[in-house]
Amino acid sequence: DADVTQTPRNRITKTGKRIMLECSQTKGHDRMYWYRQDPGLGLRLIYYSFDVKDINKGEISDGYSVSRQAQAKFSLSLESAIPNQTALYFCATSDLGPQGGLYQETQYFGPGTRLLVL
Amino acid sequence: RKEVEQDPGPFNVPEGATVAFNCTYSNSASQSFFWYRQDCRKEPKLLMSVYSSGNEDGRFTAQLNRASQYISLLIRDSKLSDSATYLCVVNSAGGTSYGKLTFGQGTILTVHP
Repeated sequence: DADVTQTPRNRITKTGKRIMLECSQTKGHDRMYWYRQDPGLGLRLIYYSFDVKDINKGEISDGYSVSRQAQAKFSLSLESAIPNQTALYFCATSDLGPQGGLYQETQYFGPGTRLLVL
Repeated sequence: RKEVEQDPGPFNVPEGATVAFNCTYSNSASQSFFWYRQDCRKEPKLLMSVYSSGNEDGRFTAQLNRASQYISLLIRDSKLSDSATYLCVVNSAGGTSYGKLTFGQGTILTVHP
């Protein structure tokens, strides 16, 4: 079984609809993230969370909200979807471990959700 | 200027070739550096961390030049299975604090027979 799962894997919705993307992990990590990926722009951080009580905005949080229901679950919502939110969305988790005297953060990604907003 | 810049390519090389990718970053306070690999329509996966002294993992060698603020990835004896997008990733802080992971837009590599 995959360590980081995302549902749905593909979604088509209409402008103005509210949708939720779900992420679950079995890695036991405290840190979770939501990114979107667009061609030519790379991955951009939407929101991140260090534990259940912690929510932080990333660089492109406008139009999105998140909920960290439990250590293992982190949901992303589009309150009123618009066409320029069409993208590939990734959830990720991370641990923070010492390597070479520095704390290194390795991120583990879910398989992604392809979202099309018409 | 983008925080992390890569040549998007594509790089088209024959099997067995040696290919090198460079990546530059703008934040001189950056502490941690990585290369991730992303196959078509898949999630990114960590390929290797990049250490100050340089490091090697099989056919892959990563180098860091802090003075010039660039990172490189060298792939020797390219295989067809190396075809992917390679993402340069920079963490702007170290220690126990969160440092934002910033991703380059990726360099596309295609290895052909």
